[in-house]
Amino acid sequence: NAGVTQTPKFQVLKTGQSMTLQCAQDMNHNSMYWYRQDPGMGLRLIYYSASEGTTDKGEVPNGYNVSRLNKREFSLRLESAAPSQTSVYFCASTLAGGITDTQYFGPGTRLTVL
Amino acid sequence: GIQVEQSPPDLILQEGANSTLRCNFSDSVNNLQWFHQNPWGQLINLFYIPSGTKQNGRLSATTVATERYSLLYISSSQTTDSGVYFCAVDISGNTGKLIFGQGTTLQVKP
Repeated sequence: NAGVTQTPKFQVLKTGQSMTLQCAQDMNHNSMYWYRQDPGMGLRLIYYSASEGTTDKGEVPNGYNVSRLNKREFSLRLESAAPSQTSVYFCASTLAGGITDTQYFGPGTRLTVL
Repeated sequence: GIQVEQSPPDLILQEGANSTLRCNFSDSVNNLQWFHQNPWGQLINLFYIPSGTKQNGRLSATTVATERYSLLYISSSQTTDSGVYFCAVDISGNTGKLIFGQGTTLQVKP
């Protein structure tokens, strides 16, 4: 089991460029999440997908779009990157998002926007 | 929205010492989890503990839901315990949407 994988690990963009962060899990989990972590802060939820075919906004969705491609994959897209989106991005998954479920995190993508 | 506050923000220990980390939350929660982020950035779930007490080796956690706080105990600390400890809460109960505290940064010196 690879768990939760993310690509790329590092990325540098110029302001206005677009990119897609990829996330995949092989644990047959239903729910998937995208968080961002800024220096000295906890994680903040950007978007989540409770199940295949559904997505919903989290705390900080502005400037992002997501696609739940299938049960395994959940991508995060920055259409026009801004310096304020410089952060470390984590993808997570959980079996069903219920109150007894723990979340498993990927290794993160470190994004710098110049 | 709900506020999640952790204390202390920073903690330095000698190897072998014990410590207690605290997480206060401002509203009722359905789910509370503790995570450890190692120096390489990887997040590992330590406990799912909306109430009661759990133990796993040298780590244990207690959540008093009625008083809206949770404690993480680390006994006989080791250098590998270094990193950032986060608590995170879910108020929805069925979505897994976690609200994170700002973390406690722990450094264990040999």
